[in-house]
Amino acid sequence: AQTVTQSQPEMSVQEAETVTLSCTYDTSENNYYLFWYKQPPSRQMILVIRQEAYKQQNATENRFSVNFQKAAKSFSLKISDSQLGDTAMYFCAFTSNQFYFGTGTSLTVIP
Amino acid sequence: DTGVSQDPRHKITKRGQNVTFRCDPISEHNRLYWYRQTLGQGPEFLTYFQNEAQLEKSRLLSDRFSAERPKGSFSTLEIQRTEQGDSAMYLCASSSTSGQASYEQYFGPGTRLTVT
Repeated sequence: AQTVTQSQPEMSVQEAETVTLSCTYDTSENNYYLFWYKQPPSRQMILVIRQEAYKQQNATENRFSVNFQKAAKSFSLKISDSQLGDTAMYFCAFTSNQFYFGTGTSLTVIP
Repeated sequence: DTGVSQDPRHKITKRGQNVTFRCDPISEHNRLYWYRQTLGQGPEFLTYFQNEAQLEKSRLLSDRFSAERPKGSFSTLEIQRTEQGDSAMYLCASSSTSGQASYEQYFGPGTRLTVT
């Protein structure tokens, strides 16, 4: 069975600083996709970044980047130059067919 | 295309009543997913469709829950004989299995169900 673990329920970061959110997963699949989603308070879930398991290069999207370690089954999200609008719940997700989400990390950006 | 839409956005019902939610996915997406999310938790998978076929259902989906996607476009999720434990946000998402954005799920705003 696939599982996704986010071991940091809450994190905070000063505005303009860098923060890393952790995610590990367990699967016997070889081909899969990994995602980070952001859910601002009382707002819709939106996609932040994706990573295909067959790609060795880590994905980047502007201030967001991932550190994908396939052997370790680790998929962390780095947010650089944190902004107040980054305050949200962040969910790590895995799919090879069905989607599995972690329990989330609540990130607060402090002005 | 304005994205995934869900209707209603909020539903308050009395225990024992039936409720039905609707989801309209992004038009070119062939997959549609239903999730349940409670406060402070991640989305919990309920079921998904590829076109009109329901490919998988969670073991958590009791007999009181049923979902349809009759023409491979919009989908409905019905909960019969609602219980207080059904109170949650019900999320719909859609994705495509082809193209550069394959498997990226796009979420709707959700339907918040409150069972009194």
